[in-house]
Amino acid sequence: EPEVTQTPSHQVTQMGQEVILRCVPISNHLYFYWYRQILGQKVEFLVSFYNNEISEKSEIFDDQFSVERPDGSNFTLKIRSTKLEDSAMYFCAITGLDSYEQYFGPGTRLTVT
Amino acid sequence: AQTVTQSQPEMSVQEAETVTLSCTYDTSESDYYLFWYKQPPSRQMILVIRQEAYKQQNATENRFSVNFQKAAKSFSLKISDSQLGDAAMYFCAFADSNYQLIWGAGTKLIIKP
Repeated sequence: EPEVTQTPSHQVTQMGQEVILRCVPISNHLYFYWYRQILGQKVEFLVSFYNNEISEKSEIFDDQFSVERPDGSNFTLKIRSTKLEDSAMYFCAITGLDSYEQYFGPGTRLTVT
Repeated sequence: AQTVTQSQPEMSVQEAETVTLSCTYDTSESDYYLFWYKQPPSRQMILVIRQEAYKQQNATENRFSVNFQKAAKSFSLKISDSQLGDAAMYFCAFADSNYQLIWGAGTKLIIKP
């Protein structure tokens, strides 16, 4: 089973600040995904990333959000000018080579105050 | 648009007994994938079982099995010999050829000792 870590585990930030959430897969993967889960609500798809570019994105993923893979291993989600409603768990997921199952990292809990 | 519905917000079962969690979905696709994920209090998202829509045989993983009814668009999860460690939120999820996951609202499973 592919492994993926996420940092930080918990981030507290003030409204209007920028945050960068990091995802580090242990081995080579093709597809990367970001999802978010607001407390008590459904998990929501944000974006998928393949071959160093965005493959799909949801309506939630507006200009406030961006993703990149700056060094070929880390996969980051940047949220510019955070809002209170951005408070949520953010999950990174990966698919392995020749597979369709998505394996999730432990998540980053983002709290915007 | 694809949707996933979990009609049971909460289920409880006696330890060692069997419980079935319901999931229905709506799609016009013929080729897709279905998943059950478990989310314990740690909020880690753990893949429990997966099913390819083109396979008629129901998937099984140890004590976990599914009842996949493609015509009815139903994908229920059966947990046999329930254990205290099975207590968690269980999410049903759907993925089409884009692989982005569409999620149900979840069912909270309580195990009574």
